[in-house]
Amino acid sequence: AQSVSQHNHHVILSEAASLELGCNYSYGGTVNLFWYVQYPGQHLQLLLKYFSGDPLVKGIKGFEAEFIKSKFSFNLRKPSVQWSDTAEYFCAVKWGKLTFGTGTRLTIIP
Amino acid sequence: NAGVTQTPKFQVLKTGQSMTLQCAQDMNHEYMSWYRQDPGMGLRLIHYSVGAGITDQGEVPNGYNVSRSTTEDFPLRLLSAAPSQTSVYFCASSYHRNEAEAFFGQGTRLTVV
Repeated sequence: AQSVSQHNHHVILSEAASLELGCNYSYGGTVNLFWYVQYPGQHLQLLLKYFSGDPLVKGIKGFEAEFIKSKFSFNLRKPSVQWSDTAEYFCAVKWGKLTFGTGTRLTIIP
Repeated sequence: NAGVTQTPKFQVLKTGQSMTLQCAQDMNHEYMSWYRQDPGMGLRLIHYSVGAGITDQGEVPNGYNVSRSTTEDFPLRLLSAAPSQTSVYFCASSYHRNEAEAFFGQGTRLTVV
């Protein structure tokens, strides 16, 4: 069975700080990995995805993620966060069905 | 350009009542699914469907029923509501390809008293 772990439950950063959110998955086969973002009071939206090719993927709003197969990881990064990045971030894996991690709440302090 | 439409947005039920949460998509997506979102637990899959006439259970299916008679609609039925079903429910749809992005509805906030 596929599963996703996000170890950071709540991260608080100041504006302009660098961000890295951890995501580890367990699945033995070919994986399709996603990061979704949920702004306060809104539904989930896709930030970026990986399914093949270059393991460094770039998404919207300056986010990127690196797929490291040997570590079963797909960490999300952003060099300089903004107050508007305050949101909840979900890592997900899809093989047949889409499975989410428990999410990381990101709070950016102006 | 409707995307995924969920109704209602808010609902209060009494314990034991039944109701149906509606979900419709206009993108001709084969794959549709229902999640519940609870604090600290992320999104947990309730039921999903890979096409009309085909449904399967997810992680937390107990107390919920689904059917998929058309490609567009995927209603979620609560048979006898319980306080433990108080949650925010999201419907999502995508093409069946594993790399396909999921599109989410706006959510239904359900309170069972």
